[in-house]
Amino acid sequence: GENVEQHPSTLSVQEGDSAVIKCTYSDSASNYFPWYKQELGKGPQLIIDIRSNVGEKKDQRIAVTLNKTAKHFSLHITETQPEDSAVYFCAARMNRDDKIIFGKGTRLHILP
Amino acid sequence: DGGITQSPKYLFRKEGQNVTLSCEQNLNHDAMYWYRQDPGQGLRLIYYSQIVNDFQKGDIAEGYSVSREKKESFPLTVTSAQKNPTAFYLCASTPAGSVNYGYTFGSGTRLTVV
Repeated sequence: GENVEQHPSTLSVQEGDSAVIKCTYSDSASNYFPWYKQELGKGPQLIIDIRSNVGEKKDQRIAVTLNKTAKHFSLHITETQPEDSAVYFCAARMNRDDKIIFGKGTRLHILP
Repeated sequence: DGGITQSPKYLFRKEGQNVTLSCEQNLNHDAMYWYRQDPGQGLRLIYYSQIVNDFQKGDIAEGYSVSREKKESFPLTVTSAQKNPTAFYLCASTPAGSVNYGYTFGSGTRLTVV
């Protein structure tokens, strides 16, 4: 079955610097890759997604890149702010299945 | 506004009791999911349903039960057979067959055994 590996598990960056979270997936049939942000005590919220026919997508300070050949995808947050502190989950979805497989999450700390 | 509502936000269970967590959505989504999240951990799938009156076990279904009598509702019962039920429970939904959509999550129920 599909497996999604996410690194690092914890990441601390200085406010204003960039943060990068990386994920790999195992099933080449995966074609949809969402990213979720979870604040303390709340449910995850979709922040950006990318489909397999696209290599990069950007939304203000957030960008996601996808390398289908290597089965890698990454989340990039630029000019980090205190409100970016949260847990981030990457995920992958296969065309033949509604289920989304999640990575184990990255706890991002933005240092003042 | 459309959304997915979980209730209650906090729930306390005594040893040996069954408790039911509510999940309701008005998004007209076909598929619904229940996840368990332990402190500092990822999301583990308990049960999911892709259509009314049908559901499948996820990775950690033991000690849990569900029903899907209505499209809008997918309640989760934590039975006394679940030996370590203290966790944060998340419900999610998505349109069936829509491979280019993510899940919409509820705000979660925190269950504590007392």
